[in-house]
Order: sequence, then structure tokens, then C-alpha cells
Amino acid sequence: EIVMTQSPATLSVSPGDRATLSCRASQNVINKLAWYQQKPGQAPRLLIYGASTRATDIPARFSGSGSGTDFTLTISSLQSDDFAVYYCQQYNNWPTFGQGTKVDIK
Amino acid sequence: QVQLQQSGPGLVKPSETLSLTCSVSGYAITSGYYWGWVRQSPGKGLELVGTIYHSGSTYYNPSLKSRVTMSVDTSKNQFSLNLSSVTAADTAVYYCVRAGGSMIAVAPDVWGQGTTVTVSS
Repeated sequence: EIVMTQSPATLSVSPGDRATLSCRASQNVINKLAWYQQKPGQAPRLLIYGASTRATDIPARFSGSGSGTDFTLTISSLQSDDFAVYYCQQYNNWPTFGQGTKVDIK
Repeated sequence: QVQLQQSGPGLVKPSETLSLTCSVSGYAITSGYYWGWVRQSPGKGLELVGTIYHSGSTYYNPSLKSRVTMSVDTSKNQFSLNLSSVTAADTAVYYCVRAGGSMIAVAPDVWGQGTTVTVSS
């Protein structure tokens, strides 16, 4: 099983600032990497797939990068709606998820 | 717009079978895509339970394979999950999902509302 490790566990950011979230895979997943956003009481929402392709209707302030084992999700200018938990997921092998990064208000 | 509506009990007794159904609207299951179930618990986080195609082909999480059965009813445009011999470790929020274009390499892009399932006597 491929283990996905996200850092940091919690990220405190001020509205309007940039947020950078990291995800590391225990082995090469090429670019088979997705990012999700989850708010309390809601299902996860797909943000990014293929490491860098935004899903339908996802704002341009969300961007993904990386390949192999190291990946990054960047939110260029945090809006109030963006405070949530973010998960990465690899799908190069049996899909596995990271434990999440909580983005909260500084 | 594709929507997934889940149904099923929120409380299941230990050793019994958990059964959930997902009704799909806005998209015909037979048009393609794999469909599946993801569960989320405080202890194990997000976990893919399995995927199914409209033909009935399935792929189950190896750790759950002996207890999982998924099925599809194309006439009702819905698919279902059965998880047998449940224990407290199966307590989780279960989501049905549109899994993706392959059986295993999936990044779910549509999610149901979630069903909180508690295993308790």
C-alpha cells in the first residue's frame, strides 16, 4: 500500500495570503495525484486531478504541482470559503488518501 | 448535473450486514464510468471500499474483500453495497461516488451526501 503523508497537519493563514500544502507519497505515483477539499458535515470535493488539472468549476486560485513522490497544492489568495481540510490521494495503485491538512484562520 | 442520493440504515448490529444503496440522477450508469463507495472514520481516515462497473465487474479493497459485495441495478440506475460481519471498526461515514474511468486508478469527482453508519448493539 502506498502511504500518503501530508504536511503540515494544521496551517494557519490570514485571508488574502497564500497557502502551500505538501503531500509526499511513499513510492512513485507519477502524476496520479488528486486533491480534495472537505468542509464540516460535507463530502469531499475534487479540486485537482492529474497533479495539476483543475476539476470542473474550481477557481483558478487553486493550483497543483509536482510529480513522482512530492506534490504541492497552492491556494494563491485565501478566501473565507477556503478554510477547510484538504486531502491528497494517489491513484497510480490501489487508491490511498493522506490524513489531511486543516487550513484555519490565523 | 450528476447527483448521487444514498439510502440505508444508520445503525447496524455487530456481526450483521451493512446495506446501502446509491441512486444516480442526471447520468445513466450504463453510459460509462466506474462507481464506488468510500468510507471515512476518525481512526482510518478516507478509504476506498470498492468500485463497480455497469457490467457488474467489481474491484474490492483487499483488506475488506472477504466481506464486501457490490451490485448494480441498471433498470433503477442505482448501485449498492453490502458489508457483512460488521464490527465497531466498520463504524464510519459511507459515501457513494462516481469513481472514474477505470476500475482502480480512480479520483472520485461526484460524491453522495454521506451516511453515518454506527455498528452497535
